[in-house]
Amino acid sequence: NAGVTQTPKFRILKIGQSMTLQCTQDMNHNYMYWYRQDPGMGLKLIYYSVGAGITDKGEVPNGYNVSRSTTEDFPLRLELAAPSQTSVYFCATGLVTGELFFGEGSRLTVL
Amino acid sequence: AQSVTQLGSHVSVSEGALVLLRCNYSSSVPPYLFWYVQYPNQGLQLLLKYTSAATLVKGINGFEAEFKKSETSFHLTKPSAHMSDAAEYFCAVLSGSARQLTFGSGTQLTVLP
Repeated sequence: NAGVTQTPKFRILKIGQSMTLQCTQDMNHNYMYWYRQDPGMGLKLIYYSVGAGITDKGEVPNGYNVSRSTTEDFPLRLELAAPSQTSVYFCATGLVTGELFFGEGSRLTVL
Repeated sequence: AQSVTQLGSHVSVSEGALVLLRCNYSSSVPPYLFWYVQYPNQGLQLLLKYTSAATLVKGINGFEAEFKKSETSFHLTKPSAHMSDAAEYFCAVLSGSARQLTFGSGTQLTVLP
């Protein structure tokens, strides 16, 4: 089992470009999350989903969009990239008990 | 809103010394609390969790944490640090209908030889 797979691992974008971070899980979990991690700030929730077809905003959703057409996939879309979106992005799946299972992260730099 | 505060963004201990990482929570209801560890260039891994079954929770790699309601604390300890414990540690609280975690700002643990 791969668990949670994120692609790409690294990406450099120019200001104004768009891209999609991919997240796929083979754990059959309903709950999925996108967090961003910035130094000294911990992890901030961007978007989450409680099942296919259902998504909702987290703490820092501006500049991002998500979709959840299947249980397995939860892509994160960045429109009009800005330097403030330079960060490490983590996708995670979760159990109703709160345990999260994280991917290895996608490091994004916007120049 | 439920939240956690981690005291000390950096902690250094000598190998073999006690590890103590501090976490205080703010919650209007009995909280579900977690400690996660992040090794360099990796995602987070669950160390342990508190779900009200027992106040002293044992986790992986010899870590444990004690829930103290009177102090609103959930500090992480390990009796004897090992070089492999060097990592960043995050305290988190479960909140919301979607079972999302709210994380503290993290504590970077350095283990000195």
